[in-house]
Amino acid sequence: GQNIDQPTEMTATEGAIVQINCTYQTSGFNGLFWYQQHAGEAPTFLSYNVLDGLEEKGRFSSFLSRSKGYSYLLLKELQMKDSASYLCAVRFPIKAAGNKLTFGGGTRVLVKP
Amino acid sequence: DTAVSQTPKYLVTQMGNDKSIKCEQNLGHDTMYWYKQDSKKFLKIMFSYNNKELIINETVPNRFSPKSPDKAHLNLHINSLELGDSAVYFCASSQSPGRDEQFFGPGTRLTVL
Repeated sequence: GQNIDQPTEMTATEGAIVQINCTYQTSGFNGLFWYQQHAGEAPTFLSYNVLDGLEEKGRFSSFLSRSKGYSYLLLKELQMKDSASYLCAVRFPIKAAGNKLTFGGGTRVLVKP
Repeated sequence: DTAVSQTPKYLVTQMGNDKSIKCEQNLGHDTMYWYKQDSKKFLKIMFSYNNKELIINETVPNRFSPKSPDKAHLNLHINSLELGDSAVYFCASSQSPGRDEQFFGPGTRLTVL
C-alpha cells in the first residue's frame, strides 16, 4: 500500500522559519508535490520535486531524498497569510493510467503574531 | 477566467436522495479527477478520466457514478445518499494523467442529514 506521513499541526511565529517533514513508502515513485490549502478553499500547487535536492521558489523551498523516502517544505519569513494546511502528495505509476497522486493527511500551520 | 469550476458550492440533502455535482474546466486539460476530503482533511482520489475515458476508479461504492460528456466536463452523480457521504468533494484537472500539477475546483460541501 501507499503510506505518507506528515505532522498534524505546527505553530510558528511571524517572521520565523518552519520546516514541514513528509516521509513516504509507496510502490514506485514519480515525483512529490506540495500543495497549500487555506481553510474552506481548494488546494493550490506550491512545488514539485522528482530529483534529489532542493528546489527554491521565493520564500518556499522543497527538498527531496528519494533514498530516504523523505521530503520537507521550508517556509521562510513567515507571514500571517501562510496559516494554512500543507499537503504532501506522492505520484506513483499505476497500470493503464500512467500515474496517480496520493496525499498525506496535511500539516496545519498556525502562524502567530 | 481560466479555472476549474464546480456547482453547487454547498449541497444539503436528506439520506436516500440522489444528487449531482457538476465540474467544468476551461484550461484545455485532458485529464479530470474527483477527490473526496473528509472531516479529517484526508484528500482521497475517487475517479479520474482522460479524454472522456475512465482511467482510475478507486474502491468507491457503486452509488457514485462519474460521467464525462466531453473532456472539459466531469460530473458526479450520487444515488441513495448516506450520512457517511458528507464531505467536501473536489474536482481537479491536469494536462495529462498524473504527470503534471493538478488544478483544483473550489469544492462542493455535501451535508447529508
